Amino acid sequence: AQTVTQSQPEMSVQEAETVTLSCTYDTSESDYYLFWYKQPPSRQMILVIRQEAYKQQNATENRFSVNFQKAAKSFSLKISDSQLGDAAMYFCAYWYNAGNMLTFGGGTRLMVKP
Amino acid sequence: NAGVTQTPKFRVLKTGQSMTLLCAQDMNHEYMYWYRQDPGMGLRLIHYSVGEGTTAKGEVPDGYNVSRLKKQNFLLGLESAAPSQTSVYFCASSWAAGGYNEQFFGPGTRLTVL
Repeated sequence: AQTVTQSQPEMSVQEAETVTLSCTYDTSESDYYLFWYKQPPSRQMILVIRQEAYKQQNATENRFSVNFQKAAKSFSLKISDSQLGDAAMYFCAYWYNAGNMLTFGGGTRLMVKP
Repeated sequence: NAGVTQTPKFRVLKTGQSMTLLCAQDMNHEYMYWYRQDPGMGLRLIHYSVGEGTTAKGEVPDGYNVSRLKKQNFLLGLESAAPSQTSVYFCASSWAAGGYNEQFFGPGTRLTVL
């Protein structure tokens, strides 16, 4: 079974600094996708960034980037120039095509200090 | 364009009562999903639908039923609510399956079963 683990229940970062959130996953599949979702206090789940497993290049979206280590089954999210609006729960998620479902990690609460 | 909407936003039930949660999307998406989110855990898939008139079980389907009579609506029913069903319920939709098709989430429904 596929599992997704986020080992950091809470993280904090100073405004304008950089923070990295960790995620590991377990799978025997070779064709899959990994995601980071943001859930602010409003509860709305928002897709932050997506990585295709077959792509070696790490995905980036403005201040958000990932470090995808396929052999190590690791998928971390780096947030640069942290802003107050980045404070939220962040969930790592996994999808493989034959499974037809997203599997989520337990989440990391990110606090941003002014 | 409202995206994905959920009705109601909050609900309190007594054990044994029944209720139906409504999810609606205006993006003409084929796929729709129901998740539950419990404290300290990520979202877990309850049921999903790959098109009008179809439904399928997800990871935690027991105690729930669903129907997709119209393409834009996906109903989640609890026939006899139990305290273990206290949770936040999220609906999502996507154009098709596959990790390249983003799932769009509704704002969630907080359900408390006493």
